[in-house]
Amino acid sequence: GEDVEQSLFLSVREGDSSVINCTYTDSSSTYLYWYKQEPGAGLQLLTYIFSNMDMKQDQRLTVLLNKKDKHLSLRIADTQTGDSAIYFCAETPNRDDKIIFGKGTRLHILP
Amino acid sequence: DGGITQSPKYLFRKEGQNVTLSCEQNLNHDAMYWYRQDPGQGLRLIYYSQIVNDFQKGDIAEGYSVSREKKESFPLTVTSAQKNPTAFYLCASSPRRQSSYNEQFFGPGTRLTVL
Repeated sequence: GEDVEQSLFLSVREGDSSVINCTYTDSSSTYLYWYKQEPGAGLQLLTYIFSNMDMKQDQRLTVLLNKKDKHLSLRIADTQTGDSAIYFCAETPNRDDKIIFGKGTRLHILP
Repeated sequence: DGGITQSPKYLFRKEGQNVTLSCEQNLNHDAMYWYRQDPGQGLRLIYYSQIVNDFQKGDIAEGYSVSREKKESFPLTVTSAQKNPTAFYLCASSPRRQSSYNEQFFGPGTRLTVL
C-alpha cells in the first residue's frame, strides 16, 4: 500500500543543521516533495526532487534521495528560529492525482 | 493577488448541525482538494475534484459532502453524520498536470470546533 513515514519530533540548537528523514513505499513516484507548515497556517511547498536525481540543493536546503532504499531527507543548514514549523514529506504516485503526505515532523529550535 | 482563500478562520457549531466551509481560488487551477488535519495524524484526504461538476471521495469521505459548480469554488459541508468533526480543515488546489509533477497550493485553513 501507499505510506510515507517520518518521525514526529526533532529538536535542534539554533545555528546547527537539521536533518529530517522520510521513507516512502511507492517506487512509481517520480516526484517527492517537502512542504512546510507554520503554526495555524496552510502548507507551502519548500522544495521537491525528481526521482532520477540523488541530490538537490537550494540555498540552506539540501534534499537527498536514495531511491533504492526509498529514503528521502531534508537538511536545513544554519537552522534559525524562523525554521520552527512542521515539515511534511510527500510523494505523487504516478497513477493518480493524489499526493500522499507523511504525518509531519515538528522541528523545535533550542536557543 | 492570486491565491486560495478559506473562510472563516475559526468556526464554532453545536453538535448535530451541518456546517459549510468555504474555499475559493483565483489561480485558474483545475483540481481542488479538501484535507482534514488532526494532531499527530498528518493530512487526510476527504474529497477532491479534478474538473467542474465532478469529484471523488478521498480516504475519509464519510460524513462530508462537496460540490464543484464553479471552477473557483469547492465548498465542504460537514454533516451531522460526521462523528468527530472538530479539526483543522485545509483546502488546496493544483493546476492541470502536464506530467506527474503535482504541486498543491494550500489555503490558510479553517479550525472547526463542535461544541
